[in-house]
Amino acid sequence: AQSVSQHNHHVILSEAASLELGCNYSYGGTVNLFWYVQYPGQHLQLLLKYFSGDPLVKGIKGFEAEFIKSKFSFNLRKPSVQWSDTAEYFCAVNARQAGTALIFGKGTTLSVSS
Amino acid sequence: NAGVTQTPKFRVLKTGQSMTLLCAQDMNHEYMYWYRQDPGMGLRLIHYSVGEGTTAKGEVPDGYNVSRLKKQNFLLGLESAAPSQTSVYFCASSYGGSGSFGTQYFGPGTRLLVL
Repeated sequence: AQSVSQHNHHVILSEAASLELGCNYSYGGTVNLFWYVQYPGQHLQLLLKYFSGDPLVKGIKGFEAEFIKSKFSFNLRKPSVQWSDTAEYFCAVNARQAGTALIFGKGTTLSVSS
Repeated sequence: NAGVTQTPKFRVLKTGQSMTLLCAQDMNHEYMYWYRQDPGMGLRLIHYSVGEGTTAKGEVPDGYNVSRLKKQNFLLGLESAAPSQTSVYFCASSYGGSGSFGTQYFGPGTRLLVL
């Protein structure tokens, strides 16, 4: 069965620190990869997505993610976080051959102190 | 465009009561989904629909029913609510099922408390 693992449950950073959130998935076929963000009290918003092509994808608000097929990973990065990045971050995978199901990781809570 | 909207925003039920959650989208999307979000569990798919008049089970369908009578609406029903159904429910929609068309857009959520 497909699964998504997010390594960090809670990350605490100071403003201007660099961020990397890990995401690994288990599926041997072709996948679509997503990162969603949920700000406190709000709904999920798409941060970035990967379907094909350049494995380094750039999203909104300065976030980027790199797809490393050999490692089954899609880690999220940001060079310098801001207090407003405090949120919960979800990695999600859709295996194209498996239909429409979007499998989510359990989420990583990011707390940024000013 | 309003995108994906959900009603109600918050509801308290007693065990055994029934209710229906409404999801509406104005993006002409074919696919619609219902998820539940629980602390430390991420989002789990309850049911989904690939078009008007169709529904299918997701990861955690027990205790829920759905209907998609109109393309823009997707209803989630709880026939006999249980405390284990206390959760935040999110609706989502997408143009298609995979690739760029499979990007899902989420509603604001419904917070349900079952006493």
